[in-house]
Amino acid sequence: EVQLVETGGGLIQPGGSLRLSCVASGVTLSSNYLSWVRQAPGKGLEWVSLINTDGFTHYTDSVRGRFSLSSDNSKNTVYLQMNSLTTEDTAVYYCARGWLSDWGQGTLVTVSS
Amino acid sequence: DIQMTQSPSSLSASVGDRITITCRASQGIGNDLGWYQQKPGKAPKRLISVASTLQSGVPSRFSGSGSGTEFTLTISSLQPEDFATYYCLQYKSHPWTFGQGTKVEIK
Repeated sequence: EVQLVETGGGLIQPGGSLRLSCVASGVTLSSNYLSWVRQAPGKGLEWVSLINTDGFTHYTDSVRGRFSLSSDNSKNTVYLQMNSLTTEDTAVYYCARGWLSDWGQGTLVTVSS
Repeated sequence: DIQMTQSPSSLSASVGDRITITCRASQGIGNDLGWYQQKPGKAPKRLISVASTLQSGVPSRFSGSGSGTEFTLTISSLQPEDFATYYCLQYKSHPWTFGQGTKVEIK
């Protein structure tokens, strides 16, 4: 059974940085695409970023240059480094495998002073 | 970027009703589209991939159709557990984009 677990969320001040982790079990992340999707309170889903099997990354326009993806294959983990956070980044962040076939439970990021 | 326009944004229906949700893409995406169901406080769940392939374990009352720019999700006989919000997602090109969502409520 595939399981994805996100950690690293919390309360952070505007302008701050946070790193989210997505740890997988039951699947090898390096053999899969891995996306981050976020959902602001009361809003719809927004695809944020993806790392593919070659390590190439894609980002939505609103986070490009501020967010970056990396992976540690030995830990079967993908990281989302988020810098220069604004209140607009407040959301539940989900990681999801492949064409979003499997999802984690999400981790809440709150950007507030 | 490809824009996904989903309609309606909400609908009220009764148990047993047949409902249809539509997603229109701003340019052709072939069949690179998925449908997702989300219940309050939960992660989304994929129902359909490549426009019409039902995921394992998803009831057959759900179906998807379409290609190119117009796609539909149909629930043939709404059940109590189907009251949720539904989203389409295009993964033809980056950035991937979701529709705005359709909230299905009990009439």
